[in-house]
Amino acid sequence: DIQLTQSPSFLSASVGDRVTITCRASQGITSYLVWYQQKPGKAPKLLIYAASTLQSGVPSRFSGSGSGTEFTLTISGLQPEDFATYFCQQLHTYPWTFGQGTRVEIK
Amino acid sequence: EVQLVESGGNVERPGGSLRLSCAASGFTFNNYDMSWVRQAPGKGLEWVSNINWNGGSTGYADSVKGRFIISRDNAKNSLYLQMNSLRAEDTALYYCGRIDRANSRNGMDVWGQGTTVTVSS
Repeated sequence: DIQLTQSPSFLSASVGDRVTITCRASQGITSYLVWYQQKPGKAPKLLIYAASTLQSGVPSRFSGSGSGTEFTLTISGLQPEDFATYFCQQLHTYPWTFGQGTRVEIK
Repeated sequence: EVQLVESGGNVERPGGSLRLSCAASGFTFNNYDMSWVRQAPGKGLEWVSNINWNGGSTGYADSVKGRFIISRDNAKNSLYLQMNSLRAEDTALYYCGRIDRANSRNGMDVWGQGTTVTVSS
């Protein structure tokens, strides 16, 4: 199975900060990686697909990059509504797998 | 309005069975592959299973393979998860989600609100 490792698991940041979350795959997954945002008590929300394509309606401060085994999610100018947990998921090979999540909290 | 509504969650004893349902509305159901994802209390997301638009292809997490069966009824706009031989570690909130069949690696763009399964003696 393909393992996804996110780093960091937790980060504390301030409004306006630039934040970067990394997702590393245990083997190459080309660009079959997506990013979700989840707020407490809510279902996840798709942010980025195909590693770098912004889902419709998602603010442009979110961006994704990478291919192969290393991927990043960047939030440029953190907003109060961005404090949440972020998950990556690979859809390259069954079983599809998620990273363990990165919780972004207010400093 | 595009909507997915899960149901069927309950408290069940270890070894028992449950059938989850996911009712879709507001979109053309057979244009989408469908997935189940679960989240144990206080934990991260775990992909459970996927089924393609016509039911001809399925995939399962290792943790549920041989115990869970995903299926769909396009005439009823419904997705199902038959859960057998339940274990305590199956306790979780179960979400269904849709994936555009034309871009089936692009993730789940619509999710339901989830249904809770508790496995306990």
